[in-house]
Amino acid sequence: LAKTTQPISMDSYEGQEVNITCSHNNIATNDYITWYQQFPSQGPRFIIQGYKTKVTNEVASLFIPADRKSSTLSLPRVSLSDTAVYYCLVGDSMIYNQGGKLIFGQGTELSVKP
Amino acid sequence: NAGVTQTPKFRVLKTGQSMTLLCAQDMNHEYMYWYRQDPGMGLRLIHYSVGEGTTAKGEVPDGYNVSRLKKQNFLLGLESAAPSQTSVYFCASSYSGRGNQPQHFGDGTRLSIL
Repeated sequence: LAKTTQPISMDSYEGQEVNITCSHNNIATNDYITWYQQFPSQGPRFIIQGYKTKVTNEVASLFIPADRKSSTLSLPRVSLSDTAVYYCLVGDSMIYNQGGKLIFGQGTELSVKP
Repeated sequence: NAGVTQTPKFRVLKTGQSMTLLCAQDMNHEYMYWYRQDPGMGLRLIHYSVGEGTTAKGEVPDGYNVSRLKKQNFLLGLESAAPSQTSVYFCASSYSGRGNQPQHFGDGTRLSIL
């Protein structure tokens, strides 16, 4: 199972672009990379998912290099409301046979300041 | 469309008491999960279900039981609550167990065991 490593915390200011990098050296061929956002007193919320290259949606972009051993979540022009914990997960496609282990690490606590 | 709903939102128990946490989803998802979240530990999978009538152990199953009698409901039971079970419990569901299917989370149940 691929373990992920992210920075514990990051600080930014409103209007800046924030890039959070996740390392997953043991990613397997069938694994997808998924990012979740969690606000205090709420459950995690799906942000974006990718397999390779670049994915963009209305919230963020996800950059995945060719070797897929890392990925970078990019949040354009952050605001105070983007202050949250961001989790990077590597999802095994055969979750049932692998014992249901989508592993949430400690995540990255992003603090956006005015 | 409510998504994933957890009840109750808060509960205080005494050591040795029992209780059941209820999770309901209205997205017709096959897979459902129970996690616990503790400070500095991220989310850890307790039990999960791949369909009605089936359950399986996750990473930290001891002290908990689950049932999935109906597709839309997933119950988490504590038979004899212990202070170590003080935590925030999150329920999630997904269309399937494949790594490219994001999980949808409820807003949690905050449980304190005295």
